[in-house]
Amino acid sequence: AQSVSQHNHHVILSEAASLELGCNYSYGGTVNLFWYVQYPGQHLQLLLKYFSGDPLVKGIKGFEAEFIKSKFSFNLRKPSVQWSDTAEYFCAVNAGGFKTIFGAGTRLFVKA
Amino acid sequence: EAQVTQNPRYLITVTGKKLTVTCSQNMNHEYMSWYRQDPGLGLRQIYYSMNVEVTDKGDVPEGYKVSRKEKRNFPLILESPSPNQTSLYFCASSYSGRAIQETQYFGPGTRLLVL
Repeated sequence: AQSVSQHNHHVILSEAASLELGCNYSYGGTVNLFWYVQYPGQHLQLLLKYFSGDPLVKGIKGFEAEFIKSKFSFNLRKPSVQWSDTAEYFCAVNAGGFKTIFGAGTRLFVKA
Repeated sequence: EAQVTQNPRYLITVTGKKLTVTCSQNMNHEYMSWYRQDPGLGLRQIYYSMNVEVTDKGDVPEGYKVSRKEKRNFPLILESPSPNQTSLYFCASSYSGRAIQETQYFGPGTRLLVL
């Protein structure tokens, strides 16, 4: 069965620090990969997604993610976080069909 | 404005009292889905619908029912709620669900407490 693993449940950073959130998935075939973000009190929204082509994907608000097929990973990065990046981040995988599998989420808190 | 709406946003109820959480989208999407979000477990899919009158179970369907009589609406029904259904519920929709790269659009969430 497909699964998604996010390594860190909680991350605390100071402003301007660099961010990397890990995501690994288990599925051997073609996948589509997503990062969603949930700001406090708001609903989930798409940050970025990968479905083919350049494995380095750029999303909104300066985020990017790199798909490494050999490692089954899709880590999210941002060179310099801001207080407004405080949110919960979800990695998700769709391997075809109608189901998208979400990871457990990583709560990021950025200290001003 | 393109959006997914849910009602109510907050609900406190008692064990066994039937309730319905409504979900509506105005984007003419074929695919709609319900998730529950629990700490440490992320989002888990309850049910999804590929089109009108076509629904299927997700990963955690027990204790829930859905219906899709109209394209825009996808209500979630708890016939006899229990405390373990206390959770944050999200409705989502996407254009068709068939293209695996489709983005899902989420509603604002419904926070349910079952006493």
